[in-house]
Amino acid sequence: TQLLEQSPQFLSIQEGENLTVYCNSSSVFSSLQWYRQEPGEGPVLLVTVVTGGEVKKLKRLTFQFGDARKDSSLHITAAQPGDTGLYLCAGARAAGNKLTFGGGTRVLVKP
Amino acid sequence: EAGVVQSPRYKIIEKKQPVAFWCNPISGHNTLYWYRQNLGQGPELLIRYENEEAVDDSQLPKDRFSAERLKGVDSTLKIQPAELGDSAVYLCASSFNSGETQYFGPGTRLLVL
Repeated sequence: TQLLEQSPQFLSIQEGENLTVYCNSSSVFSSLQWYRQEPGEGPVLLVTVVTGGEVKKLKRLTFQFGDARKDSSLHITAAQPGDTGLYLCAGARAAGNKLTFGGGTRVLVKP
Repeated sequence: EAGVVQSPRYKIIEKKQPVAFWCNPISGHNTLYWYRQNLGQGPELLIRYENEEAVDDSQLPKDRFSAERLKGVDSTLKIQPAELGDSAVYLCASSFNSGETQYFGPGTRLLVL
C-alpha cells in the first residue's frame, strides 16, 4: 500500500483539453512536490508546495496543496503533446526528511 | 553544468550474476540518493548518503545489495547475486544538502533474465 495514492493511473486526452491529476494520502506532509518523468529519463522537479491551501502556477500548470496538507492536485489547461509524461507526486513528512513517491499518473496528449 | 551522470544506461544479466551501477553527482552536492523504480511505479529510496556516510539505508536489502560512496563524491550500488525481481530502473539523485531539491540522473535499466 502506497503512502501517496495517485489517480488516475493513466489518462489519454486530445490536444487542447484540460486534465487534473490527484495525489491523496491519510498522512500530513510538511511539503509536497510534483515531478514529470519522460521515457528514459529521471524525474524532473516541477514545483514544491509547503503551505496548506497553497496554489502555484507554472504557465498552463496549476498546483494546489490541500488545506490539511494531505492531498494535492495538478491541473493542466489546454494540454499539448509536450505535456506527455509520467507525473509523480512526492511528499516529505518533515523538513529534510526523505521523499515518498506516489505511483504516478501516465499522461498521453494526442495531437 | 553537468547533471547527475549514471552508467551504464542499460544492463542485461542472468540471474545469480553480480552487477554494479555507478553515479557521479552534481559537483558540490553533499547528499546522494539511490532509488529503485519498478515498472509503472514511483521511485523508492534505497539509500541516502550525507557526504561519505550512509544515513538512511533502511530500505536497502542488505543480503544482496551494497553501496559505497568513497571520498563523498561518486557512488556505486552493487547487487550480488541478482534475482529476477531486481529488474527495475535504478535512479541516482543528488542535492546540495538533505531536504533540498533533488536532481535525478537518467537511471540504469536493469533486466535480469
